[in-house]
Amino acid sequence: NAGVMQNPRHLVRRRGQEARLRCSPMKGHSHVYWYRQLPEEGLKFMVYLQKENIIDESGMPKERFSAEFPKEGPSILRIQQVVRGDSAAYFCASSQTSNTEAFFGQGTRLTVV
Amino acid sequence: QQQVKQSPQSLIVQKGGIPIINCAYENTAFDYFPWYQQFPGKGPALLIAIRPDVSEKKEGRFTISFNKSAKQFSLHIMDSQPGDSATYFCAASMISNTGKLIFGQGTTLQVKP
Repeated sequence: NAGVMQNPRHLVRRRGQEARLRCSPMKGHSHVYWYRQLPEEGLKFMVYLQKENIIDESGMPKERFSAEFPKEGPSILRIQQVVRGDSAAYFCASSQTSNTEAFFGQGTRLTVV
Repeated sequence: QQQVKQSPQSLIVQKGGIPIINCAYENTAFDYFPWYQQFPGKGPALLIAIRPDVSEKKEGRFTISFNKSAKQFSLHIMDSQPGDSATYFCAASMISNTGKLIFGQGTTLQVKP
């Protein structure tokens, strides 16, 4: 059973471009969570999604950031018009239900130049 | 009220020593407290988790101690090995939503041979 798969592992974008980060949850998991980790800091919750629904986006910046988890395919975290401050590691986690343990992927390291 | 404070920021022990990492939380609604281990360039991996109905939980060389009245919990690593060198994060959430975690700032542990 493959773990949480994230791609790409590394992503370089110029300021003003769009970044699309993908996350395929573990098999049988329908709950997906996105986190951001700045250098030398802990992970910060961004958004919680179930299939086709955003459940909690309290940690998402109000502008430029969006997330989706369509009926088919991976969850996508989209960052429009990236700025240098968006440079971070973005992690996705998945769980089978809302009250079972969450497993993390290897992350996508975004660098904005 | 949503913070989890973790200390120390870094820790160096000799092989066989018992590093102790401490965390304190504020929100009394939290009832799920996991610890994650993260190696450089990797995603966080769940080590061990505890609920407030027990004061201690052991899994292999890892032990969590929990003090509900003080709102504190700690991780002890018995007989530490160089392979345990990593960053450790405590976290807290509600058991009804185990994927929405509030993370501590992390502790970088180095175990010297």
